[in-house]
Amino acid sequence: EAQVTQNPRYLITVTGKKLTVTCSQNMNHEYMSWYRQDPGLGLRQIYYSMNVEVTDKGDVPEGYKVSRKEKRNFPLILESPSPNQTSLYFCASSWTTGLGLYNEQFFGPGTRLTVL
Amino acid sequence: DAKTTQPTSMDCAEGRAANLPCNHSTISGNEYVYWYRQIHSQGPQYIIHGLKNNETNEMASLIITEDRKSSTLILPHATLRDTAVYYCIVRGEYQTGANNLFFGTGTRLTVIP
Repeated sequence: EAQVTQNPRYLITVTGKKLTVTCSQNMNHEYMSWYRQDPGLGLRQIYYSMNVEVTDKGDVPEGYKVSRKEKRNFPLILESPSPNQTSLYFCASSWTTGLGLYNEQFFGPGTRLTVL
Repeated sequence: DAKTTQPTSMDCAEGRAANLPCNHSTISGNEYVYWYRQIHSQGPQYIIHGLKNNETNEMASLIITEDRKSSTLILPHATLRDTAVYYCIVRGEYQTGANNLFFGTGTRLTVIP
């Protein structure tokens, strides 16, 4: 089944304790992205990756890191989490084409993170 | 990307057609209309997209007015599982590097038994 998976789905942690949220897709998509969703603010893009070893900042990258060593995986790293990073996080992926034509994004199920 | 305007909420009786409007009066000629939905904190799900012709797939139909300033997403026979927030998004034909989707606040559709 074509899908985007995220782990963990729920996480409660404390300020300053490094954590990683994994994202994996089995559709051979070049493009992957991380969003956070907060009440009243919609989805905001954190980081994105156009392909392996190619990453760039989205709208709200502060406090986050990413890596893209393999095409299927795009982990989100919080080196020193803070309470303002409490949010619902979504990973997404899509094809790209040589012409850069837009393609629909496939979203993971979400990771609900609470930082105390 | 053009801005969209959607009603905050709508109700629909189960089994009836749900018609969700979207205004995008500043849409430009090469921008597509996309619809996604999000069921209670699950990941957003792509529904359909179109440029100027009406489109239909297994999930829904998309009707775009001739001047392209508005569109309507139609769920022909709404079920309780269609209760969700529906987002209308206008995007250019060619993705930028960020390929960022601006979801806005969407329309909360409640399907009533």
